[in-house]
Amino acid sequence: EPEVTQTPSHQVTQMGQEVILRCVPISNHLYFYWYRQILGQKVEFLVSFYNNEISEKSEIFDDQFSVERPDGSNFTLKIRSTKLEDSAMYFCASSAGGGETQYFGPGTRLLVL
Amino acid sequence: RKEVEQDPGPFNVPEGATVAFNCTYSNSASQSFFWYRQDCRKEPKLLMSVYSSGNEDGRFTAQLNRASQYISLLIRDSKLSDSATYLCVVLGGGNKLTFGTGTQLKVEL
Repeated sequence: EPEVTQTPSHQVTQMGQEVILRCVPISNHLYFYWYRQILGQKVEFLVSFYNNEISEKSEIFDDQFSVERPDGSNFTLKIRSTKLEDSAMYFCASSAGGGETQYFGPGTRLLVL
Repeated sequence: RKEVEQDPGPFNVPEGATVAFNCTYSNSASQSFFWYRQDCRKEPKLLMSVYSSGNEDGRFTAQLNRASQYISLLIRDSKLSDSATYLCVVLGGGNKLTFGTGTQLKVEL
């Protein structure tokens, strides 16, 4: 069964450093998403991406965040200058169509020290 | 009012019990509704979509009441492996999923 994959599974970084989280969506999917979950809290939407453009972004997704699809398979989330409060599990998801089921990757656990 | 509201639980039930979870949502324009399951420190996994007509998948039954903006999930004959957090999820504009905080279920021997 096709699945979304994410690397790395864990990342520890110092405050102010840049991090890039990587995702490989399901191969025939056209819509891509990033969500995050701070420990003990609910899953929160960050951004949706379609046709090489951001479709929607949340208030959390400020100028420190960016997304890119650098090639035909990868989808990345960059945090330019990490803050302590960026520590969370970051989930990538993809869907075949706009209103269709979103399938989540296993997540990258980011810890900012 | 929270966008998606759920009782956090935990619900502790014996194996074989029937358990029901409820959820309310605030945006009447919401289009699609789902129950996801999340095991500890893992990704959310789709359990089932929820339709106005109600739908069933084995031991799981989901119902949607658009007028009341209310979604339910019923689990019959619960198994130990059903222990998890059940997330009520609503799809809105921009294909954005809005999650509830989740209801924790513990099924015990």
